[in-house]
Amino acid sequence: KQEVTQIPAALSVPEGENLVLNCSFTDSAIYNLQWFRQDPGKGLTSLLLIQSSQREQTSGRLNASLDKSSGRSTLYIAASQPGDSATYLCAVGGGDMRFGAGTRLTVKP
Amino acid sequence: GAVVSQHPSRVICKSGTSVKIECRSLDFQATTMFWYRQFPKQSLMLMATSNEGSKATYEQGVEKDKFLINHASLTLSTLTVTSAHPEDSSFYICSARWTSGSGNEQFFGPGTRLTVL
Repeated sequence: KQEVTQIPAALSVPEGENLVLNCSFTDSAIYNLQWFRQDPGKGLTSLLLIQSSQREQTSGRLNASLDKSSGRSTLYIAASQPGDSATYLCAVGGGDMRFGAGTRLTVKP
Repeated sequence: GAVVSQHPSRVICKSGTSVKIECRSLDFQATTMFWYRQFPKQSLMLMATSNEGSKATYEQGVEKDKFLINHASLTLSTLTVTSAHPEDSSFYICSARWTSGSGNEQFFGPGTRLTVL
């Protein structure tokens, strides 16, 4: 059974910092890996989807990488802003999708 | 991109009643839909996988007689929480897989917040 782990569980940074969120998974036989953002009490906002054949995806200030062989993905956020404060979820797609517990990010002005 | 809707977005009910939640893929056909549950400050946990026209596959620990799933068409799946109790209060999120798209991507609904009094 796929196990997804996210580190750190919580992160607080001052505005403007670059930061990295980590995701690891146990089974490398995946279709894709997706990063989501979730604001309190809200649903999921898809940020980046990386197919299993890809190594990275970029969208604006966000860059996600995937290393299937080592079972790792990172989400890099450049020049963080207070509006980036949210919980970031990593989800690994196989036959279904398994989620990590998330990283709760706070960006202080 | 593909859109998945859920209805209702929020429901409050009394203990012992049944609640039905609908999940619709609005602009694509989804042979497979998934139901997740999220308790406060926790991540999403897969409850069941639903394939159109067949019985749902439930994850270990999820009671199939309590959480009835019907996937009668390629655009609609329903989750019925039978005889709901306060411990069933949670955020329920569905997703639909676009099998004709690239990489088996899943598209998520906005969620339904269930509160059982």
